[in-house]
Amino acid sequence: DAGITQSPRHKVTETGTPVTLRCHQTENHRYMYWYRQDPGHGLRLIHYSYGVKDTDKGEVSDGYSVSRSKTEDFLLTLESATSSQTSVYFCAISGETYQPQHFGDGTRLSIL
Amino acid sequence: AQTVTQSQPEMSVQEAETVTLSCTYDTSESDYYLFWYKQPPSRQMILVIRQEAYKQQNATENRFSVNFQKAAKSFSLKISDSQLGDAAMYFCAYRTSAQGGKLIFGQGTELSVKP
Repeated sequence: DAGITQSPRHKVTETGTPVTLRCHQTENHRYMYWYRQDPGHGLRLIHYSYGVKDTDKGEVSDGYSVSRSKTEDFLLTLESATSSQTSVYFCAISGETYQPQHFGDGTRLSIL
Repeated sequence: AQTVTQSQPEMSVQEAETVTLSCTYDTSESDYYLFWYKQPPSRQMILVIRQEAYKQQNATENRFSVNFQKAAKSFSLKISDSQLGDAAMYFCAYRTSAQGGKLIFGQGTELSVKP
């Protein structure tokens, strides 16, 4: 199995609070991605990174920011959480764009 | 923009039988990759099989095979000799050459296997 760890696995928080999710990889892969999974939508890309300090937006990036200060860590931050951001969040990694993406186990985030 | 459509929200198969899950996509790219991922109740996303668009030969992984029709933009998954452990949500995904090779997912097909 690809070495990907997401933390926390579950989180419940209140509207308006900041939230940070962490993705840690031990594969030294260049690409890292954050997706969210909602019923009826499959997975949708939030942000991705193609190297240390190199990030770009995905299709549902509003309300989210990311940072990658080390190859192994990719952080997703909700500056002020809203109920619409209740979802399951997945991190994925890939060595190159032509290689498959491997996923972490997901984080279930509930915003009340 | 690329889109992926899975028109079967739910499918059912008898154990040991064969089932085919459908997927169509829309793209103007000529070079891309297609994948099937399995998501069991544990929530893990597990890669089942992949297909490179430039390859005419259909990919096969043990009991899993695809029928890739590039001109028709169709990418179906066939599961042979279905097992109880195959019960899961299956997602078809298209990997674009843009945006860091992001994956575009279909809505998923929930497969149940009857003993």
